[in-house]
Amino acid sequence: GAGVSQSPRYKVAKRGQDVALRCDPISGHVSLFWYQQALGQGPEFLTYFQNEAQLDKSGLPSDRFFAERPEGSVSTLKIQRTQQEDSAVYLCASSSGRDEQYFGPGTRLTVT
Amino acid sequence: GQQVMQIPQYQHVQEGEDFTTYCNSSTTLSNIQWYKQRPGGHPVFLIQLVKSGEVKKQKRLTFQFGEAKKNSSLHITATQTTDVGTYFCAGRSGGYQKVTFGIGTKLQVIP
Repeated sequence: GAGVSQSPRYKVAKRGQDVALRCDPISGHVSLFWYQQALGQGPEFLTYFQNEAQLDKSGLPSDRFFAERPEGSVSTLKIQRTQQEDSAVYLCASSSGRDEQYFGPGTRLTVT
Repeated sequence: GQQVMQIPQYQHVQEGEDFTTYCNSSTTLSNIQWYKQRPGGHPVFLIQLVKSGEVKKQKRLTFQFGEAKKNSSLHITATQTTDVGTYFCAGRSGGYQKVTFGIGTKLQVIP
């Protein structure tokens, strides 16, 4: 069956540009997570949705980062005025409960 | 906030040798998960441990959760080249959904 998909897979942005990263979770999965993974590091939690409600956004590094999941399925992570330190792989994961998370392939963002 | 430490960061082993990675949390965990990430890939769920002192096995992999629910380990017996990748532990505290990942242990297996 279909897993978690993310688009684009690669994004190059000039410093100061806005970007939008999309996540399509597994159908029916209530929980959706966004993570940021820098090279050689573990995934760092950014935010969590239960259906359309954003229940935890404590990991968002600044107010330039915004996430939404308006209909409880597809989610978008938006980064405004990108900075070089935003360069990383952004991973989306979905889950049906409190057990395993299914990760998407990630979006590799490079800010030049 | 919660911190999850993982050691070692890197491990090179000869094929057939055993391998262990250790995970320690600064807070008591409600559960701990283990993931494997192949080079260029994304994390893939291996297992979840919930009970104090729990031990689970998957073929050559043995997972343990400490009595105090603050530490965990993953042991691989007789490593194979297919075991290459980075192994992450990820801990969850209280009733929160937020999962905190360790830095990972990158395993290289020399044929």
